Amino acid sequence: DAMVIQNPRYQVTQFGKPVTLSCSQTLNHNVMYWYQQKSSQAPKLLFHYYDKDFNNEADTPDNFQSRRPNTSFCFLDIRSPGLGDAAMYLCATSRDSGGGQPQHFGDGTRLSIL
Amino acid sequence: GESVGLHLPTLSVQEGDNSIINCAYSNSASDYFIWYKQESGKGPQFIIDIRSNMDKRQGQRVTVLLNKTVKHLSLQIAATQPGDSAVYFCAENNAGNMLTFGGGTRLMVKP
Repeated sequence: DAMVIQNPRYQVTQFGKPVTLSCSQTLNHNVMYWYQQKSSQAPKLLFHYYDKDFNNEADTPDNFQSRRPNTSFCFLDIRSPGLGDAAMYLCATSRDSGGGQPQHFGDGTRLSIL
Repeated sequence: GESVGLHLPTLSVQEGDNSIINCAYSNSASDYFIWYKQESGKGPQFIIDIRSNMDKRQGQRVTVLLNKTVKHLSLQIAATQPGDSAVYFCAENNAGNMLTFGGGTRLMVKP
């Protein structure tokens, strides 16, 4: 009974070709996060939504954008993927933004760039 | 700056032995810490958490110890099993429920 669901699990795209990754949650959590994780590294936060309020990390490339059309869904759009964008992309949720709550992760989408 | 780090990148243990994974943090104001387990090809899975008003918390086969004096966190796994093989991340909870992850420790369990 998956609670944070990411589709697809594997995505291959061409250099420069826009790609969208999706995340859905059944937890009814207010906050959704997108992380990038490269091999043998810790997850790196790209941005998060508190409800519909979008919060971008200062070092997230402009190439990365996100949409959250409703509570359950969140999308990561990469406008012009470069080779350096090949990574695992993780979605996570938390009930709200008050401290002291664990984030719940999906199993990620592994993005490959040809 | 604030950071969370791990002392050992790889830990190899014999099946049945106890494992101890260590983590150091630098933000003395942090009041909530989480350990995650990440298996190959999967997302981080919550294992156990601890708040700064506690020194120890136990779960099923896992114990987290928090030493605020030296800003040190550890995860103990009792009777380590092959299924425990994974990368383990500690994470420090910051304002706005943001997480700062440590670098990760790979646990390898030898049969």
